[in-house]
Amino acid sequence: QKEVEQNSGPLSVPEGAIASLNCTYSDRGSQSFFWYRQYSGKSPELIMFIYSNGDKEDGRFTAQLNKASQYVSLLIRDSQPSDSATYLCAVESNNDMRFGAGTRLTVKP
Amino acid sequence: ETGVTQTPRHLVMGMTNKKSLKCEQHLGHNAMYWYKQSAKKPLELMFVYSLEERVENNSVPSRFSPECPNSSHLFLHLHTLQPEDSALYLCASSLTGFNTEAFFGQGTRLTVV
Repeated sequence: QKEVEQNSGPLSVPEGAIASLNCTYSDRGSQSFFWYRQYSGKSPELIMFIYSNGDKEDGRFTAQLNKASQYVSLLIRDSQPSDSATYLCAVESNNDMRFGAGTRLTVKP
Repeated sequence: ETGVTQTPRHLVMGMTNKKSLKCEQHLGHNAMYWYKQSAKKPLELMFVYSLEERVENNSVPSRFSPECPNSSHLFLHLHTLQPEDSALYLCASSLTGFNTEAFFGQGTRLTVV
C-alpha cells in the first residue's frame, strides 16, 4: 500500500515567521511531488511541484525533496494570514497519484 | 476560476435515486480525473481518463459509473448510493498525465440520505 503521511496539525505560526510543512511517502519509486493549497470550502490549487532532489524556490515558497529519506517539505517564508489553509502533499508514481490528508496551517496576525 | 466547471455544486439524493455529476474543462487538457474528498481523509482517486479512455479504476464500487464522451467532458453517474458515499466529489484535469499540474473544479458536495 502506497502511503503519503502528513501531520494533520493544526500548525500555528505568527505572521512573518517561517512555516514548515512535512510529508513522508512510502513508495521509493515515486517520481513527482506536488504541494497543493486548499482554502476552506474551496478546491485544491497547485503551489509547487518538484521532481529532483534538493530545493526549489518560488517566491516565498521553497519545496525540498530528499528521495533517500523519502520526504518532501514545503517552507513558507514571511508567512501571511492569507496563507492560512490546508496544505496537501501529493506523490506520483507509476501513473498513480496519492494525496496526504493535509496539514492545516494557521498564521496569526 | 480554474477552467474546470462542475455541476451541480450541491446535491442531496436518496439511496434509491439516480443522479449524475458533470465536469467540463476549457483548458485543452487530455486527462481528466474524479476524486472523492471525505472529512479528515486524503483525497481518493476514483477514475482517470486519458484521451477519453479510462486508465485507472481504483476498486471503486460499481454504484459509481464514469463516462467521458469527449476530452472536455466527464460525468459520474450515481445510483443506489450509501450514506457513507456522502463527500465532496472533485473533478480535475491536466495537460497529460499525473506528472503535470492538475486543475480542480469547485466540487460537488454530495449528501446521501
